[in-house]
Amino acid sequence: EPEVTQTPSHQVTQMGQEVILRCVPISNHLYFYWYRQILGQKVEFLVSFYNNEISEKSEIFDDQFSVERPDGSNFTLKIRSTKLEDSAMYFCASSDRGNYGYTFGSGTRLTVV
Amino acid sequence: AQTVTQSQPEMSVQEAETVTLSCTYDTSENNYYLFWYKQPPSRQMILVIRQEAYKQQNATENRFSVNFQKAAKSFSLKISDSQLGDTAMYFCAFYSNAGNMLTFGGGTRLMVKP
Repeated sequence: EPEVTQTPSHQVTQMGQEVILRCVPISNHLYFYWYRQILGQKVEFLVSFYNNEISEKSEIFDDQFSVERPDGSNFTLKIRSTKLEDSAMYFCASSDRGNYGYTFGSGTRLTVV
Repeated sequence: AQTVTQSQPEMSVQEAETVTLSCTYDTSENNYYLFWYKQPPSRQMILVIRQEAYKQQNATENRFSVNFQKAAKSFSLKISDSQLGDTAMYFCAFYSNAGNMLTFGGGTRLMVKP
């Protein structure tokens, strides 16, 4: 069964550093998403991406965040200057039609120290 | 904006018994989709079941079924013959074409006891 792949599975970074979280969505999917989950809390929407541009973004997705599809297969989330409160599990997801549900990756646990 | 509420933070059930997880939502839209996702300790989000709001028939997937009450904006998940592997966080989620995003509830932690 096709999978969404995320790397790395765990990343530790110093506060103020830039991090890039990587995702390979399912190849024939057109819609891509990033969600985050602070430990023990709800899963929060960050951004959706379609046709090489952001289609929706949440209030969380401020100027320190950016997304990119650099080469037609990868989908990246960049956090420019990490803060302690950015520590969370970040999930990438993709779908061919959003109303059929998303396929999620296994997540990247980001720890900012 | 849509909201999704799961009023049971934690539940437990004995193996082989049946358990029902509650979910309510609020929306002004008429055409939308509802989902239950499972998040085991491995943390991956796994789609369990999907319901289209325009369908009156409740969705069923093996031991998992839903009770969809559109007028009451309620979407509960029933797990029959609970198994130890069902131990996980369960998230209810809402999707509409207008928003192009899944909105999740706060989750219910289910423990299946041997």
